[in-house]
Amino acid sequence: GESVGLHLPTLSVQEGDNSIINCAYSNSASDYFIWYKQESGKGPQFIIDIRSNMDKRQGQRVTVLLNKTVKHLSLQIAATQPGDSAVYFCAEIRGGGSQGNLIFGKGTKLSVKP
Amino acid sequence: DTAVSQTPKYLVTQMGNDKSIKCEQNLGHDTMYWYKQDSKKFLKIMFSYNNKELIINETVPNRFSPKSPDKAHLNLHINSLELGDSAVYFCASNLFGETQYFGPGTRLLVL
Repeated sequence: GESVGLHLPTLSVQEGDNSIINCAYSNSASDYFIWYKQESGKGPQFIIDIRSNMDKRQGQRVTVLLNKTVKHLSLQIAATQPGDSAVYFCAEIRGGGSQGNLIFGKGTKLSVKP
Repeated sequence: DTAVSQTPKYLVTQMGNDKSIKCEQNLGHDTMYWYKQDSKKFLKIMFSYNNKELIINETVPNRFSPKSPDKAHLNLHINSLELGDSAVYFCASNLFGETQYFGPGTRLLVL
C-alpha cells in the first residue's frame, strides 16, 4: 500500500482563517517532501518543499512543518482565501535527495467559505 | 502560457481503439514523466524518461508505450483501450533532481 497518506480527506474553513492540512508517511528513508495544489481541471502545482534536514520552511502565506520523529508533514496556509480552494497533495521522494519516484498521498480537498 | 503542454485535453474513444497523447515542455528540462490520476484523485507515476532514456517504468500494462523523440517531448501511446484506462493523464517534467512541473492533463474516457 501507499505510505504517504492524509488524515483528513476534506477540510472546510472560513475565509481569513488559517488552514492546516496534515500528511503522514511511513518510510523513514524519505528525505524530500513536496506539497502540491491541484485546482479543478488543472494539473498539480508546486507550492513548497522541504528536505529531511529541516523541520520548518516558510513561503508566501504557507509554511511546511516536518516532524521526522512521528513521520508527519503539515501544510499551514495563513489567512485562507477563496483562491486557495483546491485539492492538496503531499508527496515524498525516497532516497537520493530530490531524485527518484514522486509518491503522492491521497489528497485533501480544501473548501474556503466566504 | 503553459510550459508543459499536452494534447488533446479531452479524448473520448471506444474500447479496443488505439490512441496517443502528446506532451511537450519548453523549460529545457531533461526528465519527463507520465502520471495517471484516477476518479478518486489518486496520482500514480507510470513512466519517467531522462535524456530520452527510460528510467522509471512502474507496473503498467504493456499496452502503454511511451516514446520520447527528443528531450522536449514524451508521448504516450495506448493500444487496445479498456474501460479501466479512463482517467486523467498528466505529463510532468523537471531538471533531474529538481521540482517537477505538471501539464494541464488529458481527460481520457473509454466507452
